[in-house]
Amino acid sequence: TQLLEQSPQFLSIQEGENLTVYCNSSSVFSSLQWYRQEPGEGPVLLVTVVTGGEVKKLKRLTFQFGDARKDSSLHITAAQPGDTGLYLCAGEHQGGKLIFGQGTELSVKP
Amino acid sequence: DAGVIQSPRHEVTEMGQEVTLRCKPISGHDYLFWYRQTMMRGLELLIYFNNNVPIDDSGMPEDRFSAKMPNASFSTLKIQPSEPRDSAVYFCASSLGPQGEETQYFGPGTRLLVL
Repeated sequence: TQLLEQSPQFLSIQEGENLTVYCNSSSVFSSLQWYRQEPGEGPVLLVTVVTGGEVKKLKRLTFQFGDARKDSSLHITAAQPGDTGLYLCAGEHQGGKLIFGQGTELSVKP
Repeated sequence: DAGVIQSPRHEVTEMGQEVTLRCKPISGHDYLFWYRQTMMRGLELLIYFNNNVPIDDSGMPEDRFSAKMPNASFSTLKIQPSEPRDSAVYFCASSLGPQGEETQYFGPGTRLLVL
């Protein structure tokens, strides 16, 4: 079974701080997706990265896919309380199946 | 479109009872997925359908779980008999294409508690 490990599992920061969430695996993925999930809701897709070394930006969020396509990071600049939520990474392996990480619970305090 | 609709939003039942979870996918989406989310195991794919046909049910935990999709606008996930370890949030998602190729849209989930 391919595993995706996310770190940290929990993160509590003050508004305005920067943070990075990591998603690591020993397996190579065809693509990697990042989702954000708010309490009581389902995950919502933020971005998909496909090429090794690819960097995508979504406002204050920067996503990077590792060169070997085994890992990814999500960096948030100047975090806001509205960024609070569960961040999930999901890797696509052969056969098109998505494997989800355990998630990083982010809390941004005003 | 209203998005993926799931019912009920919350279900509390006793061990041994039958539980039926319902899902209405986004109109026009050919793929429907059932997931289970727990603190211990995270988000796991249970089964998915393409054009109402079950394609991969390897994630279904055991024979107590079954899923059907009688038509393009409705699917059910049934647990019979239910056990306390089935307590989790169950999500339904739909998409235009396979995982990884098209965006999956998740419903709000059904929170199941089996006492």
